[in-house]
Amino acid sequence: GAGVSQSPSNKVTEKGKDVELRCDPISGHTALYWYRQSLGQGLEFLIYFQGNSAPDKSGLPSDRFSAERTGGSVSTLTIQRTQQEDSAVYLCASSPGALETQYFGPGTRLLVL
Amino acid sequence: AQSVTQLGSHVSVSEGALVLLRCNYSSSVPPYLFWYVQYPNQGLQLLLKYTTGATLVKGINGFEAEFKKSETSFHLTKPSAHMSDAAEYFCAVSDGADTDKLIFGTGTRLQVFP
Repeated sequence: GAGVSQSPSNKVTEKGKDVELRCDPISGHTALYWYRQSLGQGLEFLIYFQGNSAPDKSGLPSDRFSAERTGGSVSTLTIQRTQQEDSAVYLCASSPGALETQYFGPGTRLLVL
Repeated sequence: AQSVTQLGSHVSVSEGALVLLRCNYSSSVPPYLFWYVQYPNQGLQLLLKYTTGATLVKGINGFEAEFKKSETSFHLTKPSAHMSDAAEYFCAVSDGADTDKLIFGTGTRLQVFP
């Protein structure tokens, strides 16, 4: 079946602009995760959604970052007032449930000029 | 807090040689341990994982890893490298009991020479 998909695959924006990154998890997966992969910081956890529980936002680097998951499926990661240090690959993953294997999407490569 | 250390950001081997990628972890609770591989311009793919039970775990593409609690290690091995194994490899830990988020190591880039 289809894997995790993310859009756009690449995004170039100007400093100070807002961006929205989208993740479509594997159908039926209740858990969804966002990670960030950057040269300086490696792979970092950002946020985790599990079913109807309150999301674990402990990895969000600042209040400019937010995410929502509508209807328990699609998720959007929003970065407001982007900064150059936000440039990274943003990875989404989903899993069938808690403590199950996470399946990663191809990522969105964000470049902030 | 949990952490993962991958020794060696770059490893080079000849085709047919043993592959050994090192991973040490720190966790205050029994860990769940993972190895992921990232091929150029592709997403992360799970190679293998350890949760409970047998400490020697076999994964895809001939890779295996052994959980050694006394050494807090989860090294990845493959007896004979293939050119197609060239990629970046990430070790990760989660505590499994309380949170599902993965804590990743900094990655090891494997080069395979003919």
